[in-house]
Amino acid sequence: NAGVMQNPRHLVRRRGQEARLRCSPMKGHSHVYWYRQLPEEGLKFMVYLQKENIIDESGMPKERFSAEFPKEGPSILRIQQVVRGDSAAYFCASSGREDTEAFFGQGTRLTVV
Amino acid sequence: KNEVEQSPQNLTAQEGEFITINCSYSVGISALHWLQQHPGGGIVSLFMLSSGKKKHGRLIATINIQEKHSSLHITASHPRDSAVYICARNYGGSQGNLIFGKGTKLSVKP
Repeated sequence: NAGVMQNPRHLVRRRGQEARLRCSPMKGHSHVYWYRQLPEEGLKFMVYLQKENIIDESGMPKERFSAEFPKEGPSILRIQQVVRGDSAAYFCASSGREDTEAFFGQGTRLTVV
Repeated sequence: KNEVEQSPQNLTAQEGEFITINCSYSVGISALHWLQQHPGGGIVSLFMLSSGKKKHGRLIATINIQEKHSSLHITASHPRDSAVYICARNYGGSQGNLIFGKGTKLSVKP
């Protein structure tokens, strides 16, 4: 049973480009969470999705960031018109139920140049 | 002020030492999580606990709900235990909506 898969592991984008980060949850998991870890800072919750629904996006920046978890396929975190301050590690986690432990992926390291 | 406070921020130990990392939080919770992150690596969930004590190998996690305090212990520490240890509390009903501590960077010297 494969774990949570994130790709790409490393992503370099120029300022103004779009970044698309993918997260495939563990088999049978329908709850997905995204987190951001800025350099030298702690982890911060961004968004919680269940299949086709955003449950809680209280940690998402108001502009340029969006997330989806379609019926088929991975969850996508999309950052439009990236800026240097978006450079960070982005982690996703998945769980089988809302009240059970979430398992983390290896993260995507985004560098904006 | 971060709602989840960890201490110490940095910890250096000699191989074989018993290690304790502390975590305190300010509001009632349904569960407290301990996570491990190796440099440049992913995040591994070590424990999710809501009461008492859990043990996995050389790792032990305890929680005191009344005092809003948890500890992570590592017995017979080894250089491969070197990592950042993060505690996190949940909010709302979901165990993935987490507020994280800033982490404790552990270095175990051979």
